[in-house]
Amino acid sequence: QVQLVQSGAEVKKPGASVKVSCKASGYTFTSYGISWVRQAPGQGLEWMGWISAYNGNTNYAQKLQGRVTMTTDTSTSTAYMELRSLRSDDTAVYYCATSSGYSFDYWGQGTLVTVSS
Amino acid sequence: QSALTQPASVSGSPGQSITISCTGTSSDVGGYNYVSWYQQHPGKAPKLMIYDVSKRPSGVSNRFSGSKSGNTASLTISGLQAEDEADYYCCSYAGSSTFVFGTGTKVTVL
Repeated sequence: QVQLVQSGAEVKKPGASVKVSCKASGYTFTSYGISWVRQAPGQGLEWMGWISAYNGNTNYAQKLQGRVTMTTDTSTSTAYMELRSLRSDDTAVYYCATSSGYSFDYWGQGTLVTVSS
Repeated sequence: QSALTQPASVSGSPGQSITISCTGTSSDVGGYNYVSWYQQHPGKAPKLMIYDVSKRPSGVSNRFSGSKSGNTASLTISGLQAEDEADYYCCSYAGSSTFVFGTGTKVTVL
């Protein structure tokens, strides 16, 4: 069965960077894209961007352009999301999800990133 | 990109049917047949319930159905059950490989 297992919770200071990993299993990694979605405490879902696990093509939400980078390592079936210049409003649970078409089919368990001085 | 508009809350009694609306624009909901719906229980990851407006993934109960008219998509839950109490989010493709989520709806089973 498809499984996405994410890295553990992080606490960062404002201005720092964070890199969250998402290890996939149960399917051919390069068959699907990986999207990243975040959810601030008590708030709704926000789409952050997408990466093709096949060729590494990316597309990011406009508001995060310049601060976010999504990558994949096909040798380990792992996707990564790095967010730089962290601010307090980046505090959120970050999810990875497979994208086979125009939906998010399978989700990771989420990674809490807390930005606090 | 503005979030799609959903009612903050919807409630119903067990066995009843409820409908959650999701209103966007001609640049997202109205422009593509790529609306999906997600169920999220507290402290859990979202789960895909409907994709491509009205298609159900394998394993999702047929009590869940989706539709779209113009710039508004809808999710209907029939035969409401206690386990359906959760937050629900719509999501639409918005062109140029981007997506936008709805504001979310809390469903309460009375």
